[in-house]
Amino acid sequence: AQKITQTQPGMFVQEKEAVTLDCTYDTSDQSYGLFWYKQPSSGEMIFLIYQGSYDEQNATEGRYSLNFQKARKSANLVISASQLGDSAMYFCAGGGGYQKVTFGTGTKLQVIP
Amino acid sequence: DGGITQSPKYLFRKEGQNVTLSCEQNLNHDAMYWYRQDPGQGLRLIYYSQIVNDFQKGDIAEGYSVSREKKESFPLTVTSAQKNPTAFYLCASSLNRGRDTEAFFGQGTRLTVV
Repeated sequence: AQKITQTQPGMFVQEKEAVTLDCTYDTSDQSYGLFWYKQPSSGEMIFLIYQGSYDEQNATEGRYSLNFQKARKSANLVISASQLGDSAMYFCAGGGGYQKVTFGTGTKLQVIP
Repeated sequence: DGGITQSPKYLFRKEGQNVTLSCEQNLNHDAMYWYRQDPGQGLRLIYYSQIVNDFQKGDIAEGYSVSREKKESFPLTVTSAQKNPTAFYLCASSLNRGRDTEAFFGQGTRLTVV
């Protein structure tokens, strides 16, 4: 079974600084995907970045990068040059393909001017 | 434009009534999901379907029912057996192959029992 753990309920970061949001996963599957989503106060879920278990390079999408450490079963999200609009809930998720997608409990990020 | 449409955005239900939340996608995705989100919490999986005419229970299926008669549609019925139905409900869909397996979400339905 897939389990996603986010241990940081809330984080603060100064504007223009980088921040790392932690995510660990537990799965017995050989092939899986890991995702990060952003949920602003409006409630919509915005897909940010994807990492496949067989991808050798860390995924990057603009200011977002995923620090994937397979041996440690971690898939941390790094946001560089934080902006005020980055303030939101962030969810790590795993699965996809023929597996159900399960989510962590989320991290609330607040960017301070 | 391709996407997922959930309706209605806000829904009010009297205690003891069943209510159905709509979810339609035109992305040609195989898999569809229903999640429940309570204030300040993460998403919990209610039901999911990997293919038409088949679906599986998620972690909190009690008091809910679904159908998947068409690839594009995955309606969720909140029955009177669900003791605490007030929540934000999110529908999602994804492909079932290759790298393109991220889930795309609808705008959500906020259900309130009055």
